[in-house]
Amino acid sequence: GNSVTQMEGPVTLSEEAFLTINCTYTATGYPSLFWYVQYPGEGLQLLLKATKADDKGSNKGFEATYRKETTSFHLEKGSVQVSDSAVYFCALSNQGGKLIFGQGTELSVKP
Amino acid sequence: GAGVSQTPSNKVTEKGKYVELRCDPISGHTALYWYRQSLGQGPEFLIYFQGTGAADDSGLPNDRFFAVRPEGSVSTLKIQRTERGDSAVYLCASSRAGTGRTDTQYFGPGTRLTVL
Repeated sequence: GNSVTQMEGPVTLSEEAFLTINCTYTATGYPSLFWYVQYPGEGLQLLLKATKADDKGSNKGFEATYRKETTSFHLEKGSVQVSDSAVYFCALSNQGGKLIFGQGTELSVKP
Repeated sequence: GAGVSQTPSNKVTEKGKYVELRCDPISGHTALYWYRQSLGQGPEFLIYFQGTGAADDSGLPNDRFFAVRPEGSVSTLKIQRTERGDSAVYLCASSRAGTGRTDTQYFGPGTRLTVL
């Protein structure tokens, strides 16, 4: 079946540090991959997505590359800010559009 | 434009009672999804509508859960004989077409259901 595994949190970083949140998936066929973010007190919102192998999604300084050979979609940012503190969810969509989410990774950025 | 809205934002009920949760999708979006998010977990898929019909209800946990979308816009998730284990945040999302794996889903703020 389809599943998503992401690194456990919480992740605590200092401002301007480099961020990596690991995400791997199991799926049949050719899923699309997503990163959603949930800021404190707000709803889930799409951060970036990639729909085929080797695609790179990017937004707000975050990037993730769809790696079919390693079934991964790791989220990276070169220099995090306090405002990036949130919970990040990796997800895949295979057939019919429903999303399958990982368990979420909480990021806390300290000034 | 307006995003996905959900009402109520919070619902507290007693075990055994019936509840209805409402979702208003983005205007013009034909696909509508319901998810359930327990504390510390990612959202879990419940049901997906394409227009008025339920295209996939494989995530509904049992027959106490039911959802409708009679006019292809607003949807209501109905839970009968609520149990304490039903306590969670219920999320609604909509997408423009919902016909494939590439669509972006837009989420509402959720309804926090607490069953005492």
